[in-house]
Amino acid sequence: KAGVTQTPRYLIKTRGQQVTLSCSPISGHRSVSWYQQTPGQGLQFLFEYFSETQRNKGNFPGRFSGRQFSNSRSEMNVSTLELGDSALFLCASSWGGKGGYQDTQYFGPGTRLTVL
Amino acid sequence: AQKITQTQPGMFVQEKEAVTLDCTYDTSDPSYGLFWYKQPSSGEMIFLIYQGSYDQQNATEGRYSLNFQKARKSANLVISASQLGDSAMYFCAMIGGKLIFGQGTELSVKP
Repeated sequence: KAGVTQTPRYLIKTRGQQVTLSCSPISGHRSVSWYQQTPGQGLQFLFEYFSETQRNKGNFPGRFSGRQFSNSRSEMNVSTLELGDSALFLCASSWGGKGGYQDTQYFGPGTRLTVL
Repeated sequence: AQKITQTQPGMFVQEKEAVTLDCTYDTSDPSYGLFWYKQPSSGEMIFLIYQGSYDQQNATEGRYSLNFQKARKSANLVISASQLGDSAMYFCAMIGGKLIFGQGTELSVKP
């Protein structure tokens, strides 16, 4: 079974631009979660999508948005990039069904975003 | 609110020795899951082991075992027979709708 894939792996953008990151989950997984990892803040939860609906949301400004398609693939968009948005963005997929505390999340390789 | 605490920013271990990475958690929810992930320098988070709050026995996966002490709210990871490839960041995490991570422990295995 193929793992979680993320594209692109690396991105360099300038302040004010916008960026879209893509995540393809493991086949059969319906939940996709996004995380931001920075040296200062560690790993922070952005949002989770399940069956094309946002099910959970972290404490990020509205510049960070996402969506999920009918095939469970997900995209994350960041508008009006700031220098502080430079980070490793990780996506994770899981079954997403009931009994959420037993739901193991499997991560992709990440997208490393640099904002200049 | 749920919280994960890892108090060891960095640790060293000799190759072939066992090492314990500490993790304590806080939650008021009776149903929760605890995870350990490994993150090599490449950045990918690799799932290692899971322990559910209702599991009676400690979880084991190959060289990894989880020392689960529910009353003390601790979920320490034990790696037996350390290998050079075990050098990485290790994160303890808890799930309650979303994964909450600790700050991580950087493990260095010495030859």
